[in-house]
Amino acid sequence: GAGVSQSPSNKVTEKGKDVELRCDPISGHTALYWYRQRLGQGLEFLIYFQGNSAPDKSGLPSDRFSAERTGESVSTLTIQRTQQEDSAVYLCASSLLNRESTGELFFGEGSRLTVL
Amino acid sequence: RKEVEQDPGPFNVPEGATVAFNCTYSNSASQSFFWYRQDCRKEPKLLMSVYSSGNEDGRFTAQLNRASQYISLLIRDSKLSDSATYLCVVNILTGGGNKLTFGTGTQLKVEL
Repeated sequence: GAGVSQSPSNKVTEKGKDVELRCDPISGHTALYWYRQRLGQGLEFLIYFQGNSAPDKSGLPSDRFSAERTGESVSTLTIQRTQQEDSAVYLCASSLLNRESTGELFFGEGSRLTVL
Repeated sequence: RKEVEQDPGPFNVPEGATVAFNCTYSNSASQSFFWYRQDCRKEPKLLMSVYSSGNEDGRFTAQLNRASQYISLLIRDSKLSDSATYLCVVNILTGGGNKLTFGTGTQLKVEL
């Protein structure tokens, strides 16, 4: 499809397990964001990739969280040793945002993580 | 102080009412501004950009006040279908490019 694709859409895991969430941005989009949204809460910035620049990791809540992006394509968000407070929807978004222009941010449908 | 602040609401208004939301931002270097809409258990989607001179799209009017560092969204003749959370978004130019920061959102409930 032409939109941002995230997988899995739902993930239930046990406390202490590692999880990996995947995001396929829209082709050609240079910017990619990960956000976390807990139930009834706002979007919490996690990490931002922009082209070949060093990612802005300032939003990652702890060293259990890490993310990678291969060039300007797929990104994976990894949560190690999951805790119950990690339960949330993890949203990925991509954009043509760059120094020369601003653009609309397109979101995937999110990966809903439940840690038991 | 949060980078982007919004009143969480909820704003409960009758159908046909006019309602306004404000959003304040802390970084004076902010470059551009947007309002997004998020329906319950859905992903956010762009509602409209906010231009310096103010802009209108049907029943929706957005305004920017750079001196006071706030943006606003006005909804006229509100419909039941306008019920959603409205997210204020600010774009800041950083060393690595642009960074979009979201407010926590203002919840609107339009009632019969």
